[in-house]
Amino acid sequence: DAGITQSPRHKVTETGTPVTLRCHQTENHRYMYWYRQDPGHGLRLIHYSYGVKDTDKGEVSDGYSVSRSKTEDFLLTLESATSSQTSVYFCAISGGQGHEKLFFGSGTQLSVL
Amino acid sequence: GQQLNQSPQSMFIQEGEDVSMNCTSSSIFNTWLWYKQEPGEGPVLLIALYKAGELTSNGRLTAQFGITRKDSFLNISASIPSDVGIYFCAGPTSGTYKYIFGTGTRLKVLA
Repeated sequence: DAGITQSPRHKVTETGTPVTLRCHQTENHRYMYWYRQDPGHGLRLIHYSYGVKDTDKGEVSDGYSVSRSKTEDFLLTLESATSSQTSVYFCAISGGQGHEKLFFGSGTQLSVL
Repeated sequence: GQQLNQSPQSMFIQEGEDVSMNCTSSSIFNTWLWYKQEPGEGPVLLIALYKAGELTSNGRLTAQFGITRKDSFLNISASIPSDVGIYFCAGPTSGTYKYIFGTGTRLKVLA
């Protein structure tokens, strides 16, 4: 298994509060991604990173920000959580010889009440 | 933007049957990836395809990269109960490392 750790695994929060999800990798891969998964929508890209301090938006980036200060860590922040951001969030990485392949973490279940 | 359409959305099959599912796009892809996801887990990579016409197997799974580069197919032979899950296709949008995913095919196997 690819060395990807997401934390926390579960979180319940209230509308309007800030939330930060963390993705940590031990593979030294260049690319890191944040996806959200909702019924009927599959996996949708929020943001991705192609290097330290290099990030780009995905298809559903509104309401989310990211930061990557080290190769191994990619943070996803909801500045002011809304109920529509209740979802399962997955981190993924790619790089190295198999750079075309994405490998996923186990996910974070976020509930915004 | 680019989209991936998967069909069927869901399948109920008997153990031992073969399964076919496909993924289509209006745009060309240079890489096709197939994933399986089980409840409570992240997607797991099954097969990666890199060239038009390529046929690749992984045990009972076989996937093909369509000649037009706008589609891909996944077949599962002699299904077993542990094949249950959601199968996703994915690929990078043109000229980027942004990977998009299909909406998935949910497979249920009846023993």
